[in-house]
Amino acid sequence: DARVTQTPRDKVTEMGQEVTMRCQPILGHNTVFWYRQTMMQGLELLAYFRNRAPLDDSGMPKDRFSAEMPDATLATLKIQPSEPRDSAVYFCASATDRANEQFFGPGTRLTVL
Amino acid sequence: AQSVAQPEDQVNVAEGNPLTVKCTYSVSGNPYLFWYVQYPNRGLQFLLKYITGDNLVKGSYGFEAEFNKSQTSFHLKKPSALVSDSALYFCAVRDGGSARQLTFGSGTQLTVLP
Repeated sequence: DARVTQTPRDKVTEMGQEVTMRCQPILGHNTVFWYRQTMMQGLELLAYFRNRAPLDDSGMPKDRFSAEMPDATLATLKIQPSEPRDSAVYFCASATDRANEQFFGPGTRLTVL
Repeated sequence: AQSVAQPEDQVNVAEGNPLTVKCTYSVSGNPYLFWYVQYPNRGLQFLLKYITGDNLVKGSYGFEAEFNKSQTSFHLKKPSALVSDSALYFCAVRDGGSARQLTFGSGTQLTVLP
């Protein structure tokens, strides 16, 4: 049963600390998306990659957020330094070129104190 | 620019009754439309999609959606609701061009009452 995995599932940290979230897309999926979900803003697209190349990161605060795909099986989203307003659930999703739907991971719930 | 509107934050329906969750969209090209469901503390699960072809699309768990081009709508329906259908439902759209980004609606909380 292929699925997107994300680690950690929950993260509590203090303001100013670095946070790294990891995502393993479904094997064979060449497009990876990072979303943030909050009650106030709903689902926001932060960045996405195709064939490991970043195609759009316009939704991401550039000064503190960074996203990378070191290889085809790993995507990372890093926040440095973290702030309380970054508290949210961060989702990773993956897709193929042939199928249009995205498959979501279980999310990382981030709390910044 | 593409956008999605889900006009109802909350929909309540009695078990066994038909349900409808509304969605309207705006996109410059041909619309690719999707419905996702989110259960508490879980990721979004794909339900169904419209790309081309029949306006009535059937998906998982007995859900279906009707694409209406003239009304730019893509309402989610189910003939007989179950308590287990209670969840948050998201409509999403993308342009049929090369860009892969989905734009999601704000979500509709469906509650099926026993």
